[in-house]
Amino acid sequence: KAGVTQTPRYLIKTRGQQVTLSCSPISGHRSVSWYQQTPGQGLQFLFEYFSETQRNKGNFPGRFSGRQFSNSRSEMNVSTLELGDSALYLCASSSLTGVNYEQYFGPGTRLTVT
Amino acid sequence: AQKVTQAQTEISVVEKEDVTLDCVYETRDTTYYLFWYKQPPSGELVFLIRRNSFDEQNEISGRYSWNFQKSTSSFNFTITASQVVDSAVYFCALSGRDSNYQLIWGAGTKLIIKP
Repeated sequence: KAGVTQTPRYLIKTRGQQVTLSCSPISGHRSVSWYQQTPGQGLQFLFEYFSETQRNKGNFPGRFSGRQFSNSRSEMNVSTLELGDSALYLCASSSLTGVNYEQYFGPGTRLTVT
Repeated sequence: AQKVTQAQTEISVVEKEDVTLDCVYETRDTTYYLFWYKQPPSGELVFLIRRNSFDEQNEISGRYSWNFQKSTSSFNFTITASQVVDSAVYFCALSGRDSNYQLIWGAGTKLIIKP
């Protein structure tokens, strides 16, 4: 079974631009969660989607948004990029909704904002 | 509010030594879930274990074991006979109603196993 895939793996953007990250979950998994990982703040939950509906959202500004498609693939968008958005963005999938279950993570997208 | 503390920032041991990673948590919930994940240099977080608050039984999986003690709010992880491949950053995490069912992560412990 193929694992969680994230594209692109690396991205360099400048302040003010917007970016879209993609995540393909494990086949059959309908829950996709996104996390931001930075040296200063550590791992932080962004949001979770299940069957195309946002089920939970972390404490991030509205510049961070996401969506999920009918095939469970998910995208995350960050508008008006700031230097502080530089981070490793991790996507995780699960067969059940909610983070109380085992999650399978992708390799992440490393975003650098200059 | 929920909080997870991994006081050990970095641990370095020689291969074959046993090593324990500490995790202390805070929560007002009576029902909650605790997790351990491993993050090797490749970056992918790998699930190791999930424990709910009503199950205080210790768990052993090969060289890995976990000690859950509600009395001290701790969920410690021990690797027996460590191997170089165990080198990674290990994260403890907590979820429950108090965190709106979002995973609250510890800062992680970087484990270095020297050959």
